[in-house]
Amino acid sequence: NAGVTQTPKFQVLKTGQSMTLQCAQDMNHNSMYWYRQDPGMGLRLIYYSASEGTTDKGEVPNGYNVSRLNKREFSLRLESAAPSQTSVYFCASTLGAGGGQPQHFGDGTRLSIL
Amino acid sequence: TQLLEQSPQFLSIQEGENLTVYCNSSSVFSSLQWYRQEPGEGPVLLVTVVTGGEVKKLKRLTFQFGDARKDSSLHITAAQPGDTGLYLCAGIDFNKFYFGSGTKLNVKP
Repeated sequence: NAGVTQTPKFQVLKTGQSMTLQCAQDMNHNSMYWYRQDPGMGLRLIYYSASEGTTDKGEVPNGYNVSRLNKREFSLRLESAAPSQTSVYFCASTLGAGGGQPQHFGDGTRLSIL
Repeated sequence: TQLLEQSPQFLSIQEGENLTVYCNSSSVFSSLQWYRQEPGEGPVLLVTVVTGGEVKKLKRLTFQFGDARKDSSLHITAAQPGDTGLYLCAGIDFNKFYFGSGTKLNVKP
């Protein structure tokens, strides 16, 4: 069972370059999320999609855009990368909103911006 | 922003010791979850607590949700090296998850 798949696993960018992080889930989940994890700061929500066709901002959306391409896929785009966006990015999915549904996470994308 | 504070940040103990990790907030959550994360991997759900005052046990792990649904604790009895990892609490407000900064646990054999 693949679960949540993130690509790429590692990436190095130069300041100002753009990049799209891909995420796909095969569990027929309705809700998908993008987080960033920095040392000592836990996970911070960037954007989420409660259902196909909807997206909403999380705690730290500045500098990012998202696309819910279909029910399976939710991509995160950095239009002009900045060193402050160096982080580990996690995608997650849940069956539905509310009710304390468990989040299923991918293994992360480690992004360095020079 | 709904802030969740975890304490302690780091914990290094010997195998067989007991420990408690705390997760506190000024906000009320509809439910709260605990995750464990190992290096190079995403977090994995341990438990969800929903009712104020609820206690759940998972083998040697005991989870409690505060009566006011603002705080939670995780108690591990007789810790083992396999318990080593980053423990994260997450408060849930409908479809948004707010994570604490985590407690990094190291259990030495």
